[in-house]
Amino acid sequence: EVQLVESGGGLVQPGGSLRLSCAASGFNFRTSGMSWVRQSPGRGLEWVSEIVAGVGGPYYADSVKGRFTISRDNSKNTVFLQMNSLRVEDTALYYCVKERLGSFENWGQGTLVTVSS
Amino acid sequence: DIVMTQTPLSSPVTLGQPASISCRSSHSLVFSDGNTYLSWLQQRPGQSPRLLIYEISNRFSGVPDRFSGSGAGTDFTLKISRVEAEDVGVYYCLQLTQFPYTFGQGTKLEIK
Repeated sequence: EVQLVESGGGLVQPGGSLRLSCAASGFNFRTSGMSWVRQSPGRGLEWVSEIVAGVGGPYYADSVKGRFTISRDNSKNTVFLQMNSLRVEDTALYYCVKERLGSFENWGQGTLVTVSS
Repeated sequence: DIVMTQTPLSSPVTLGQPASISCRSSHSLVFSDGNTYLSWLQQRPGQSPRLLIYEISNRFSGVPDRFSGSGAGTDFTLKISRVEAEDVGVYYCLQLTQFPYTFGQGTKLEIK
């Protein structure tokens, strides 16, 4: 069974940083593309970043480019999202997503990020 | 960016009756490999989104056959042949043809 467990969310002040983690199990992680997708009442579902299994990328939404960095540790079956220079509008539930079939096949439960002073 | 526009945004449906949701993209979703990366997701209340349909019309594993997808190019439709109580939630179309991947605004399906 595929499991994606996000962690690392929390309350942070504008300009601060957070590092999200997603622990994956139940599938061949090293051959899977992974994305982060966020959801907020004001902005709906928004794709944030993707890291592929092979050559190419990573890829970012313009709204986070230069501030967020996605990475992966295949030895630990974990994908990360380093978020710097956080803004109020980054407040959202952040989902870790496994890609396959040209789509978002499996979703985690999400970790909540709140940016507020 | 490709804009995904869903209609309606809210759909009250009687149990056992059909439901239909449309999704229109601002650009063709046909990729250079000939495939069209248009998916449909379901988000039940309090849950994470779940994949229902990929590449326009392919049902994901475990999805009931009352769900079907159709369309081509820029116009797509999700149909539920007979709505059941467990189908309540928000439905999203999603394109993965071009970066950035983009979602529709969501259509809330509720029971009359």
